[in-house]
Amino acid sequence: EAGVAQSPRYKIIEKRQSVAFWCNPISGHATLYWYQQILGQGPKLLIQFQNNGVVDDSQLPKDRFSAERLKGVDSTLKIQPAKLEDSAVYLCASSLGVSGYEQYFGPGTRLTVT
Amino acid sequence: QKEVEQNSGPLSVPEGAIASLNCTYSDRVSQSFFWYRQYSGKSPELIMSIYSNGDKEDGRFTAQLNKASQYVSLLIRDSQPSDSATYLCAVNHGSARQLTFGSGTQLTVLP
Repeated sequence: EAGVAQSPRYKIIEKRQSVAFWCNPISGHATLYWYQQILGQGPKLLIQFQNNGVVDDSQLPKDRFSAERLKGVDSTLKIQPAKLEDSAVYLCASSLGVSGYEQYFGPGTRLTVT
Repeated sequence: QKEVEQNSGPLSVPEGAIASLNCTYSDRVSQSFFWYRQYSGKSPELIMSIYSNGDKEDGRFTAQLNKASQYVSLLIRDSQPSDSATYLCAVNHGSARQLTFGSGTQLTVLP
């Protein structure tokens, strides 16, 4: 069974530029998550989708971050404009259901903002 | 604010010893508990899930849950150098649908 796919794996941009990340979850997984992981910290949830609806985006900085999952499968996360403090690894995860289900992570995208 | 606390370490154990990793959480209503292993530069990998009080064993790994004391632990028996990684505790709180992660414990197994 194929795992969670993400691209790109690495991205370097200058501050105030925009960037987009893509994620394809495990087949059949209805719930998709985007996390931000800063070095030395645990992942922090940015947004959670159930099919193509948003379950939780309370920690998403909506003035600069946006995400969509239009057909209930793959998803994109965008940052515009980027700030230095956005440098982190962006992880996508998926699970069968919304609450209490095991989450499986993709390889992540390492973003460096200069 | 729901919190998950882990000793950041580093924790060093000799090869073949038992490594004990601990995690406490703040929300009594928490229902689901997970341990992830994260190698340097890699993404978290699920190694154990536990939902009810007591022990759950899977190979060399044993997860222990005590909801009354609000802690969950992970024991790694016969530790190997390949177990050297950061171990993340994650808790799914009953009142919310999201997982809250601890900051991780860095484990080093010395040959």
